Amino acid sequence: GDSVTQMEGPVTLSEEAFLTINCTYTATGYPSLFWYVQYPGEGLQLLLKATKADDKGSNKGFEATYRKETTSFHLEKGSVQVSDSAVYFCALSDTGQGAQKLVFGQGTRLTINP
Amino acid sequence: EAGVAQSPRYKIIEKRQSVAFWCNPISGHATLYWYQQILGQGPKLLIQFQNNGVVDDSQLPKDRFSAERLKGVDSTLKIQPAKLEDSAVYLCASSLKPTYEQYFGPGTRLTVT
Repeated sequence: GDSVTQMEGPVTLSEEAFLTINCTYTATGYPSLFWYVQYPGEGLQLLLKATKADDKGSNKGFEATYRKETTSFHLEKGSVQVSDSAVYFCALSDTGQGAQKLVFGQGTRLTINP
Repeated sequence: EAGVAQSPRYKIIEKRQSVAFWCNPISGHATLYWYQQILGQGPKLLIQFQNNGVVDDSQLPKDRFSAERLKGVDSTLKIQPAKLEDSAVYLCASSLKPTYEQYFGPGTRLTVT
């Protein structure tokens, strides 16, 4: 079945460092791809998404490009802040049969030190 | 706009006991989801409702888990009897329609001892 594999964590960076969190997927169809973020004590929030190959999702300085040839959707940010400390989840959705069934990766905990 | 509400936020029970979780979705959202998130893993879909009907419950352990969504609004998820491996965070999410963005509640952290 469909699956998502994320870069192992935890990841610790200094403020203003460049961030990459790797994500690869396996899917039989043409899924949509997502990054969700979970701040301490809060629910999951959609960070960005891409619905087809070569689409770039972006939000709050984060970007990810849907690469069909490498089945990847890596998350990047040029200069991280302490407030970016959270757990990040890569996910895919197969919208077949009119439903959006999300399949998540295991999550990557990011800590940004001042 | 109020978000997805869940209660309780934390629950500790002994194995073989029963427990119930409650979810109130965003007003007007027809689709409701329950996910199980075991520590160190991503959320896994347990059941999806469209209004008060079940769309997908293929990953729900039906011998011990049950869920309902009466009147197509609030939902409850029940575990009876609980096992140690049920210790997890149970997340509720809702969306306006099945293919639309899902909004997540804060979750209920269950510890089974």
